[in-house]
Amino acid sequence: GQQVMQIPQYQHVQEGEDFTTYCNSSTTLSNIQWYKQRPGGHPVFLIQLVKSGEVKKQKRLTFQFGEAKKNSSLHITATQTTDVGTYFCAGLAGNNRKLIWGLGTSLAVNP
Amino acid sequence: DADVTQTPRNRITKTGKRIMLECSQTKGHDRMYWYRQDPGLGLRLIYYSFDVKDINKGEISDGYSVSRQAQAKFSLSLESAIPNQTALYFCATSFVGEQFFGPGTRLTVL
Repeated sequence: GQQVMQIPQYQHVQEGEDFTTYCNSSTTLSNIQWYKQRPGGHPVFLIQLVKSGEVKKQKRLTFQFGEAKKNSSLHITATQTTDVGTYFCAGLAGNNRKLIWGLGTSLAVNP
Repeated sequence: DADVTQTPRNRITKTGKRIMLECSQTKGHDRMYWYRQDPGLGLRLIYYSFDVKDINKGEISDGYSVSRQAQAKFSLSLESAIPNQTALYFCATSFVGEQFFGPGTRLTVL
């Protein structure tokens, strides 16, 4: 079946270091969404990418959607302790009506 | 998000009991979803509904049933709870894209 692989599963960084998580789909996606879940919280929507090669920025966060619309990345510049949490990607494929979720990348930040 | 509420927030039950988790939303969205989250397994879709008369199984629907009582309400039932249904359950809603999640229900089946 359709899958979205997300790597790494865990990442531990020092505050101020950069962080990147990657998503790769087995099929072409019509769009990809990113969510953040703080420890003990619920997933919160960050952004949606739709166009091939699209790049969007939110302050220190940069989101990219690959040219083939099969992969995406989230890059955080100069991590802060407030960035701690699990980041999920979720893609919509073709005529599928439901999102396909990655397993998430858990980010820990040492102050 | 206060616009999506889940009750109860925590529940401990015994094997074989029937249990219902409720979700209500004030966002006016037609689409509603039930997910379960287990450590290391991400979010897995149990059921989803695109309107009151459109209810569909997700990837892990066995052992669960749902009821869409109204546009704003979507309930998840465990007919006969078993220990491996111990998990964190999330309800979510959407218009088209972005999903809005409730605070979750932590369910423990002993």
